[in-house]
Amino acid sequence: EAGVTQSPTHLIKTRGQQATLRCSPISGHTSVYWYQQALGLGLQFLLWYDEGEERNRGNFPPRFSGRQFPNYSSELNVNALELEDSALYLCASSLTLGANVLTFGAGSRLTVL
Amino acid sequence: RKEVEQDPGPFNVPEGATVAFNCTYSNSASQSFFWYRQDCRKEPKLLMSVYSSGNEDGRFTAQLNRASQYISLLIRDSKLSDSATYLCVVNQASNTGKLIFGQGTTLQVKP
Repeated sequence: EAGVTQSPTHLIKTRGQQATLRCSPISGHTSVYWYQQALGLGLQFLLWYDEGEERNRGNFPPRFSGRQFPNYSSELNVNALELEDSALYLCASSLTLGANVLTFGAGSRLTVL
Repeated sequence: RKEVEQDPGPFNVPEGATVAFNCTYSNSASQSFFWYRQDCRKEPKLLMSVYSSGNEDGRFTAQLNRASQYISLLIRDSKLSDSATYLCVVNQASNTGKLIFGQGTTLQVKP
């Protein structure tokens, strides 16, 4: 069974640009979660999608947005990139609603220059 | 005060040693608790859930003290392969989709 897959693995952008990150959950999982892991910081909750709807978002500005597609895959968009957006972006999926046990993908490392 | 606090370490121990990590959480209404493991430059993976009565999985024992709002992880007979960062994770409320992660405690097991 394929795990959670994320693309791209690495992405380099400059300040002010937009970044799009993609995630495919484990087959059968309808919930997708996005977390940011900046250097030296713990994982910070970004967004939760389930059944195509945004269910909750963390304490991040509106330039962080995303969506979930009918096949349950998801994308995270970060607009007007800032240097401090440089981080590892982790996507996770779960079988049950509301996040208890998460299975993470390998992450997308975004570098903003 | 951070919602979940851990001593970042590093904890450097010899093979075969017993090592314990503690974690404290701020929200007394928190509902569920976990330990995740994250290897260097890899994604976090669930190590074990933590139950009120305490639970054991092989060499790993997790304890929860709700009165004092702390969680512990005990690793017995440490192996080189146990070297990793251990993340204390708390679910404060059901159906929010949000887990609160501590910054992690780094363990380095030496031969």
